[in-house]
Amino acid sequence: EVQLVESGGDLVQPGGSLRLSCAASGFSFSSYAMNWVRQAPGKGLEWVSGISGTGGTTYYADSVKGRFSISRDNSKNTLYLQMNSLRAEDTAVYYCAKGVPAFLHYFDYWGQGTLVTVSS
Amino acid sequence: EIVLTQSPGTLSLSPGERATLSCRASQSVSSSYLAWYQQKPGQAPRLLIYGASSRATGIPDRFSGSGSGTDFTLTISGLEPEDFAVYYCQQYGSSPPLTFGGGTKVEIK
Repeated sequence: EVQLVESGGDLVQPGGSLRLSCAASGFSFSSYAMNWVRQAPGKGLEWVSGISGTGGTTYYADSVKGRFSISRDNSKNTLYLQMNSLRAEDTAVYYCAKGVPAFLHYFDYWGQGTLVTVSS
Repeated sequence: EIVLTQSPGTLSLSPGERATLSCRASQSVSSSYLAWYQQKPGQAPRLLIYGASSRATGIPDRFSGSGSGTDFTLTISGLEPEDFAVYYCQQYGSSPPLTFGGGTKVEIK
């Protein structure tokens, strides 16, 4: 059974930093692209970033480019999102989403999400 | 960037009725690379349809997807109580970025 468990969400001040983690199990982690998707309170879904199975290719939404960094540790089956220079508009539930073998396609499994609140 | 517009914003229907949800793209979605997701309150999204018309594993056959180019449709042939939720379309034909529509809420009339 595929499981994705996010952690690391917290209340942080504007300009601060936070690192999210996503522990994966139930599939061959290194064979699949992984993504972060966020959802602001009461709003729709927004793709944030994606990383290839090897970790060698990454992409970001323009809204986070230069501030967020996605990475993975295939030996630990874990995905990360380093978030710097956080803004109020980054407040959202952040979901870890498993991709399919083709990079930047759709998401077949999602974690339950972790809440990031940016506020003073 | 491809912008997806979903309509209507809210659909009020009774159990057993047919639901027709629309997703329109600002430019053609190549290879019909369009997916649909269902999200219930407090839950993560769940994949329903990929490739515009292929059902994901375990999805009941009352859910069907169709369309190509710029116009796509999700149809629920007979609403069950558990189908009342928000539905999102997502394109992956022109990425990055991957983009989602704004969602359609299907509520009980």
